[in-house]
Amino acid sequence: GPKVLQIPSHQIIDMGQMVTLNCDPVSNHLYFYWYKQILGQQMEFLVNFYNGKVMEKSKLFKDQFSVERPDGSYFTLKIQPTALEDSAVYFCASSFGGSSYEQYFGPGTRLTVL
Amino acid sequence: AQKVTQTQTSISVVEKTTVTMDCVYETRDSSYFLFWYKQTASGEIVFLIRQDSYKKENATVGHYSLNFQKPKSSIGLIITATQIEDSAVYFCAMREGYNNNAPRFGAGTKLSVKP
Repeated sequence: GPKVLQIPSHQIIDMGQMVTLNCDPVSNHLYFYWYKQILGQQMEFLVNFYNGKVMEKSKLFKDQFSVERPDGSYFTLKIQPTALEDSAVYFCASSFGGSSYEQYFGPGTRLTVL
Repeated sequence: AQKVTQTQTSISVVEKTTVTMDCVYETRDSSYFLFWYKQTASGEIVFLIRQDSYKKENATVGHYSLNFQKPKSSIGLIITATQIEDSAVYFCAMREGYNNNAPRFGAGTKLSVKP
């Protein structure tokens, strides 16, 4: 089936540094999402992106977070500066449409902030 | 605000039996969509099945089916003839229909299927 790719699979950085997580969504999908998961527990919604704009963001999407998808390339999540509590697995997802369309998830990027 | 609750933290069953996982949701919208996903031990998240709020008939896909009880805001996932490989964490999610807000997920239920 359709695949969402995420690069890298694991990233270790020092607190205060910048990190960019990359997502290659399903090619004809129009909606993109980031979720945060700590220790295999709840999937926490971060941000929803469509037509080049942030459609919705949660309280977890701090000012240090930003997303973009320049010219149809990777959909990226940038954290600058990182904090210890940002350590988690970040899942990217995409869907063809909103509302009734299911999401396709990437394998996740495990971010460790030291 | 939309909210999804899964109260069962973990369930253990013997293979080839039937299991039901519970999920209740809160929404102010009259139109919404309910999803179940499976997360395997490797971390992979896979879409399983969907229920549209306006459909009275329970959705069925393979050995997955849903028990949609709209008055109770409940959407249970039923897995019949469970197999060892069904062992995973199952997430319920809801998306409201009148906007394009992202789906919200429950906390998940860990299913262990034993021989």
